[in-house]
Amino acid sequence: QVRLQESGPGLVQPSETLSLACSVSVASFSDYYWNWVRQPPGKGLEYIGFVYYNGDTNYNPSLKSRVTISVDTSRNQFSLKLTSVTAADTAVYYCAASSSATRFDYWGQGALVNVSS
Amino acid sequence: SSDLTQPPSVSVSPGQTARITCSGDALPKQYSYWYRQKAGQAPVLIIYQDTERSSGIPERFSASTSGTTGTLTISEVQPEDEADYYCQSADTTGTYVVFGGGTKLTVL
Repeated sequence: QVRLQESGPGLVQPSETLSLACSVSVASFSDYYWNWVRQPPGKGLEYIGFVYYNGDTNYNPSLKSRVTISVDTSRNQFSLKLTSVTAADTAVYYCAASSSATRFDYWGQGALVNVSS
Repeated sequence: SSDLTQPPSVSVSPGQTARITCSGDALPKQYSYWYRQKAGQAPVLIIYQDTERSSGIPERFSASTSGTTGTLTISEVQPEDEADYYCQSADTTGTYVVFGGGTKLTVL
């Protein structure tokens, strides 16, 4: 079983950087890919990207220029940074674990981030 | 193309069969996955690798893929099946994840 919990500010100013962390409870951190997915209010899911335990990353091409996902294996944690945010980045941000690079087996409960002044 | 297209909504009466489709050019080459998202909750993986049910998912849930269209079938629909359902796959190269727009299943 894998448990994930997002944490971070619920309000970010426009043009600033959104930062979230995901704390993971898992038997073997290296068995999974660690992902971020977001969902604007009332809309569908959007893949942001993943990080593997060795630091390898994969990002959605539409967000790639603004996204960094990093991992801290010593703390069983991974993080998301999204720069130059606008109101369009307001969403529930989910962290998720994948046993393969293209599926999401376990999800956190989600963290709502509002981008507003 | 990496787009996945789902109908925005499907409505059925309890006990009937609901079918939700997902169309995309990559589906003949890439596995499809299905998630159920109930109101205010995180998505849950219910189908993986085109047809396999996740642990704990009732046999009423099944899926298939033919050509560029995948179909999630829910037999004997129950009120608790009311949710948003998302298909997910990868682009034709298998590099990037893509989600369908989601289908709201209403149980009348």
